[in-house]
Amino acid sequence: QQPVQSPQAVILREGEDAVINCSSSKALYSVHWYRQKHGEAPVFLMILLKGGEQKGHEKISASFNEKKQQSSLYLTASQLSYSGTYFCGTEIDWEYGNKLVFGAGTILRVKS
Amino acid sequence: GAGVSQSPSNKVTEKGKDVELRCDPISGHTALYWYRQRLGQGLEFLIYFQGNSAPDKSGLPSDRFSAERTGESVSTLTIQRTQQEDSAVYLCASGRDRGEKLFFGSGTQLSVL
Repeated sequence: QQPVQSPQAVILREGEDAVINCSSSKALYSVHWYRQKHGEAPVFLMILLKGGEQKGHEKISASFNEKKQQSSLYLTASQLSYSGTYFCGTEIDWEYGNKLVFGAGTILRVKS
Repeated sequence: GAGVSQSPSNKVTEKGKDVELRCDPISGHTALYWYRQRLGQGLEFLIYFQGNSAPDKSGLPSDRFSAERTGESVSTLTIQRTQQEDSAVYLCASGRDRGEKLFFGSGTQLSVL
């Protein structure tokens, strides 16, 4: 049930763009995106819900393809502060339970 | 409280001892999760509480692990007869409901010697 993230790691220079992908083999109710900096707790970035609703930061953009059970997080004009590990989490679309399970993470490093 | 509170922040124990980790979620949050994060690894799901429903314990790695939640408030994660492989950061997170963002606590760093 764990979603699959790609790439595992990416290195950018400031100002460059990146895309992080997340896919599931199950029908999804929601996809969550969180960022974790070293030694800190994960912090919420965005939720994408079945049916098209999105909740999150204005400066973060993401997509959710419900037919393919895939989501992508778009990081544009990257800044040094974007560095960290990005986790996608998925809630399966099932009436009786929908725990949030996370992927293995994508390490993003932005260099000056 | 203002955020999710976990205690203790650090716990060092000897192999074979029992430990109890505590999580105080944000007031009014019906969803509560425990995750384990080993050094340099991802967020491993352990257990999920949602309101008064039976908890989803499918992520607990062995019968040495158990967790309780009192209503929609405090939760405790208990690890009996700790092993060295239990060493990790244990993170608690709470949310208002299904499909809502999670707020994470700062975690408990458990070290089993």
